[in-house]
Amino acid sequence: DTGVSQNPRHKITKRGQNVTFRCDPISEHNRLYWYRQTLGQGPEFLTYFQNEAQLEKSRLLSDRFSAERPKGSFSTLEIQRTEQGDSAMYLCASSEPGLAGQQFFGPGTRLTVL
Amino acid sequence: KNEVEQSPQNLTAQEGEFITINCSYSVGISALHWLQQHPGGGIVSLFMLSSGKKKHGRLIATINIQEKHSSLHITASHPRDSAVYICAVRSSTDKLIFGTGTRLQVFP
Repeated sequence: DTGVSQNPRHKITKRGQNVTFRCDPISEHNRLYWYRQTLGQGPEFLTYFQNEAQLEKSRLLSDRFSAERPKGSFSTLEIQRTEQGDSAMYLCASSEPGLAGQQFFGPGTRLTVL
Repeated sequence: KNEVEQSPQNLTAQEGEFITINCSYSVGISALHWLQQHPGGGIVSLFMLSSGKKKHGRLIATINIQEKHSSLHITASHPRDSAVYICAVRSSTDKLIFGTGTRLQVFP
C-alpha cells in the first residue's frame, strides 16, 4: 500500500494521560500536514513540515501538543495531559514538492478522551 | 465569519437529480480543493483547481477567482454519492483552510 498510513486508527484514553500518534506519508512526498477534525466540523490545520523542518504551527497547537518529523519521513504527534476537548479525529496528509502538489490524506486517528 | 463558507450544510436528493454545492472564500488562495469524506473519516481528494473548470466522470468543479467562488456539481446522482463534501482553499503558506462541509444524502 503506497498511501498515507496512520496508527493507531482509534485511541481511547483517560484524561491526563499522554498519547502519541504516528503518520507515514507517501514516500516521495516531502511535505506532511496534521489536521484535527471535531464532530460535525471541517478539519482544522495544526502544523506542517517540509522534510524535517516544522514550518508553521497553528495557535490551536497548545503547549501540550508537539509534533516531530525527525528524519523527514514519518511524523509523530504527541498530546500530553489529554483533556476531554482533545477528543477528535487527527488527520495526516502529505504532498509532493512544490506549490502544485495535491494533498493525500491518511485514514485518521480517532481519539476519545474519557 | 469563516474564511471558507459552504452551502448548503445539508442536502437531500433523489437518485438521478443534478446537485450543486457552493463554496465562497475570503482569503487569497493558490488553489481550491474539493474533498469527499465518507463515514469513518477517510478523505479523498476529488479536484484541485486554480482556474476554470474540471470534470471527472459525473463530477464537475468550477472556480471563479474574481468572485472567490467555486461550485461542485454532481450529475445523475446516485446513492453511493452520499457523503460529506468539503471545500478547502490552499493558502499562500500552503496549508489548507476547510469549510464545514456539505452533508449529501441521495435516496433511491
